[in-house]
Amino acid sequence: EAGVTQFPSHSVIEKGQTVTLRCDPISGHDNLYWYRRVMGKEIKFLLHFVKESKQDESGMPNNRFLAERTGGTYSTLKVQPAELEDSGVYFCASSQVISKGGREQYFGPGTRLTVT
Amino acid sequence: AQSVTQLDSHVSVSEGTPVLLRCNYSSSYSPSLFWYVQHPNKGLQLLLKYTSAATLVKGINGFEAEFKKSETSFHLTKPSAHMSDAAEYFCVVTPFYNQGGKLIFGQGTELSVKP
Repeated sequence: EAGVTQFPSHSVIEKGQTVTLRCDPISGHDNLYWYRRVMGKEIKFLLHFVKESKQDESGMPNNRFLAERTGGTYSTLKVQPAELEDSGVYFCASSQVISKGGREQYFGPGTRLTVT
Repeated sequence: AQSVTQLDSHVSVSEGTPVLLRCNYSSSYSPSLFWYVQHPNKGLQLLLKYTSAATLVKGINGFEAEFKKSETSFHLTKPSAHMSDAAEYFCVVTPFYNQGGKLIFGQGTELSVKP
């Protein structure tokens, strides 16, 4: 079974440019999550999709970030325009119900974004 | 509100000696607690989880953690460290009722293993 994949693995862009990150969840997983780790800080939640609907986007930092999940399969996270403080590692995770006590989230390797 | 505090940013042990990574949590509701590990250039992998069943939880690769409600702790242990255990470890909490919701991460503990 293929795991969560993310593309690209690294991206270096200049301030003011646009970048789009992609996440392919595990096949059949309805839940898809985005997280971000800024250097020196903890990993923080950005948003949660259930299929194509945004279940919780309370962690999105501002309106320069736009996440989509058309068709309920892969997801994209666009940053436009990028700022220096957007640099960090962006993780995607997916999950399906496996137990009553909490769904395990499976993480991708992350995309390292550097804004110069 | 929920939060986790990992008490050490870096832990160094010798191969074959015990590992202890400390985590304290704060939760207004019964928590689900997890430990994840991230090896270099890899995604986060679930080591173990506590979801209100047995308080001593066994995970992969010989790791285990004990949920202590009175101490609000969920420390990760392993009797004997292996070189391959060198990685960053994250303690994570989510409210038990909020199944499928966001995970709240601690700051991470970098584990080094010396030969």
